[in-house]
This record gives sequence, C-alpha cells and structure tokens, in this order.
Amino acid sequence: DGGITQSPKYLFRKEGQNVTLSCEQNLNHDAMYWYRQDPGQGLRLIYYSQIVNDFQKGDIAEGYSVSREKKESFPLTVTSAQKNPTAFYLCASSTWTGADTQYFGPGTRLTVL
Amino acid sequence: DQQVKQNSPSLSVQEGRISILNCDYTNSMFDYFLWYKKYPAEGPTFLISISSIKDKNEDGRFTVFLNKSAKHLSLHIVPSQPGDSAVYFCAASGGSNYKLTFGKGTLLTVNP
Repeated sequence: DGGITQSPKYLFRKEGQNVTLSCEQNLNHDAMYWYRQDPGQGLRLIYYSQIVNDFQKGDIAEGYSVSREKKESFPLTVTSAQKNPTAFYLCASSTWTGADTQYFGPGTRLTVL
Repeated sequence: DQQVKQNSPSLSVQEGRISILNCDYTNSMFDYFLWYKKYPAEGPTFLISISSIKDKNEDGRFTVFLNKSAKHLSLHIVPSQPGDSAVYFCAASGGSNYKLTFGKGTLLTVNP
C-alpha cells in the first residue's frame, strides 16, 4: 500500500525548542517537498529535494533545515530561529521535479506554546 | 506578488447542480496546472491536471478548462455532491521553475 506518511499528526513544543517532523514515502519518488499552510493561505514551499544528499531552499526556508540521507525520507527541523512556527506542515513527493503531479501526506499540525 | 489567484474565497451550490471554481494566473511561463481538494487537517488530494497544449481535460464528474490567452482556468464539477464540500486549490508550474505555485483556495459547500 504505497503512500506518504507523516508523523506525528499533532505536535506541541515550547518556544525556543527545535522540533523535527517526519516524512516517509514508499512510492519510489525521487523528489520530495515540504510546504507550510497557514489559515486562509495557500501552500508555501519551504524546502525541496530532487535526489538523495541534495536539497534546495524554497520560498520560506528561513528558520528551517532538512536532510535527505535516504530516498524514502525527508525530515524537516523547525528551529528556534523560525519566528512563527505554529502551522500545518505538509510533505509531498513526485517522480521528478517539473511537470509532474505532487502527492501529499496527511500533514502535521505543529503548535508552539 | 500572487502569481496564482483564486478570487472567490467561498462558493455554495445545491446538490446536483454544477460547481464552477475559477483560477487566474499571471506568469506566462506556467504550462502545467493542477487542482487539489483538501479537507480540514488533511493533506491535499490530487484531482485533475491539464497541460498548456490542451484546453480541456475531463475525468468523470470533473472537467478542467484552460484559456491561455486569458490566463484563466476553471474546474467544473457536475453533478455536485455533498461529499465534494472541501477547499479546492489551484496550482501551476512551468518553465525552469520546478515549483508548484498555489492559490489561496476556494471553500466549496454543496448543500443537500
């Protein structure tokens, strides 16, 4: 049963703490992406990766970091430098970057107290 | 600068009627367009896409129309069902830009 999993579904952290969000896919997709959604807003790209051990900044990368050590996994760390970390975070993957459909995971709601 | 615009934040239709969701874009390099459906606290689900070489693509109850000269696309849902009630996002990509650029979404409510 192929798909994208994100864990946990809900995450609470104290201000000033780093937190890592998990994203795993078994679709054999090369490209993976992290987006952020805020109320009443579209999805904004944080980071993306086209291939293992390579990743690029998206439109709102400040305060975030990623790694891509395995094709299946693309974890996102929300650091204490991110000024407004409370949001809904979505991971996606596609067969390649370009004119191709991105498929999304179920999302993680991060609340920083 | 919003390159993909969904000017209607919400739309309400009766069950069985047609739902028409609109999307405008400004970047002439965009050549691939997608529609996603999203329920609260869930990830977006891909619905339908269209390449700029076409002006229409149909999949069951869903049809997407593309008017390149007007930089406008629309999603038609016929007939609308209560289960279609969700937020619909328009997205676009193109040129050397791998990225999907999303609109802010339109909340569709289908009333029984």
